[in-house]
Amino acid sequence: GNSVTQMEGPVTLSEEAFLTINCTYTATGYPSLFWYVQYPGEGLQLLLKATKADDKGSNKGFEATYRKETTSFHLEKGSVQVSDSAVYFCALSVSQAAGNKLTFGGGTRVLVKP
Amino acid sequence: EAGVTQFPSHSVIEKGQTVTLRCDPISGHDNLYWYRRVMGKEIKFLLHFVKESKQDESGMPNNRFLAERTGGTYSTLKVQPAELEDSGVYFCASSQGKSWDREGYTFGSGTRLTVV
Repeated sequence: GNSVTQMEGPVTLSEEAFLTINCTYTATGYPSLFWYVQYPGEGLQLLLKATKADDKGSNKGFEATYRKETTSFHLEKGSVQVSDSAVYFCALSVSQAAGNKLTFGGGTRVLVKP
Repeated sequence: EAGVTQFPSHSVIEKGQTVTLRCDPISGHDNLYWYRRVMGKEIKFLLHFVKESKQDESGMPNNRFLAERTGGTYSTLKVQPAELEDSGVYFCASSQGKSWDREGYTFGSGTRLTVV
């Protein structure tokens, strides 16, 4: 079956620090990979995605590269801000005739202190 | 454009009671999904509607859960009777078409259900 493993939080860091959240996956077929973010009091928002090997997704200063050889999709940001405090979820989807359901990791809470 | 709306935002009920969660998708979105996050663990798929039809309900945990989508518009998820392990956050999402790799999902803010 499909599964996603991401590092447990919480991750606490200072403003302008470098952030990495590790994500590895197991999938049948060729998955698309995603990072979703949930800010306090809000719903899940798509942060970035990559649909094939070696693709790099990027948005709001965050980046993640689809690494098929290591089955990974690690999220990085070079200089975090307090506003990046949120829960981050790695996810995958394998296209199926019945639709595109997502398989999520457990989420990583990130707290950025000023 | 209004987003995906979920009601209520929070619900606290006693074990054995019934609770109904509601999701209003974005107008015109045929696909509607329910997910839940229990005990701070991973978010898990529950089911997928295409218009009013259940396309995939493989994630529904047991027959205490009943989902409906009347007329292919809003959807309800009823839990009857609720158990302690049902506590968690229930998310709804909608999308237009099957080409969602381009369009993506839009998630609601979720309903936090607490069963005491």
